Amino acid sequence: GEDVEQSLFLSVREGDSSVINCTYTDSSSTYLYWYKQEPGAGLQLLTYIFSNMDMKQDQRLTVLLNKKDKHLSLRIADTQTGDSAIYFCAVPDNYGQNFVFGPGTRLSVLP
Amino acid sequence: DGGITQSPKYLFRKEGQNVTLSCEQNLNHDAMYWYRQDPGQGLRLIYYSQIVNDFQKGDIAEGYSVSREKKESFPLTVTSAQKNPTAFYLCASTSRTGTGYNEQFFGPGTRLTVL
Repeated sequence: GEDVEQSLFLSVREGDSSVINCTYTDSSSTYLYWYKQEPGAGLQLLTYIFSNMDMKQDQRLTVLLNKKDKHLSLRIADTQTGDSAIYFCAVPDNYGQNFVFGPGTRLSVLP
Repeated sequence: DGGITQSPKYLFRKEGQNVTLSCEQNLNHDAMYWYRQDPGQGLRLIYYSQIVNDFQKGDIAEGYSVSREKKESFPLTVTSAQKNPTAFYLCASTSRTGTGYNEQFFGPGTRLTVL
C-alpha cells in the first residue's frame, strides 16, 4: 500500500523560509495535499497540487512536485510565529477512497 | 456555518469501560472517517463509511466499533477490547471519493484518556 514519509521536526528563525519535505510510494495519485494542525485542534487544508503540475504558488506558500522521484515539498516564505504547527502531507490511496497521511512535521518558529 | 462537530472535547475513561465519541456534520457529505492520532505517528484510519448503513474497517479497527444510521452522524465506540485507547481522535468527511479532488474536512477532535 501507499507509504508517506516526512521528517518529524523543523526549526527556523522568524522571517526565514521553511521547507517541509514529503516522499510517497504510489505515483497514481491525481491530487496531493498539505494539511496544517495547530495545537489541540483538527486538521485544516493548507494547499494542494494537481499531479500534472510541477509547482503551485499561493501567497507565501509554494508547493513543488517531482513525480519522477515521488517527492513533494512545501515552502513557506517569511515564516511567522503563527506558522508554528504540525504539517501533514496526504496522498490518496490507489482507489481514491482514503488518504494516507505522513507522520507530520512539527515546525517551530524561533523569534 | 457548515462544519463538523465532535463531542466531548475531553473524555476520561476507566479501564474496562466502553465510551462513545460523537461526530456530526452538516456539510451533506456522503463519506465520513475516524482517525486516531498518536505523537509522531500521524493519522491512522480506524473506520470509514461512504454511505448510510455501510462502513468498512480501516488499518486499526480492532477494539473499535461504529454505526452510520444517518448521513449526518458517525459515532465511534471505543470498547474495553482496545488495549491502549489513550489518544486524540479525529473525525473527517468528504463530499466525494475517487481520483479527483476530494478534500477531507476535519472536526476539532476528542482527546480520550484512560485512567
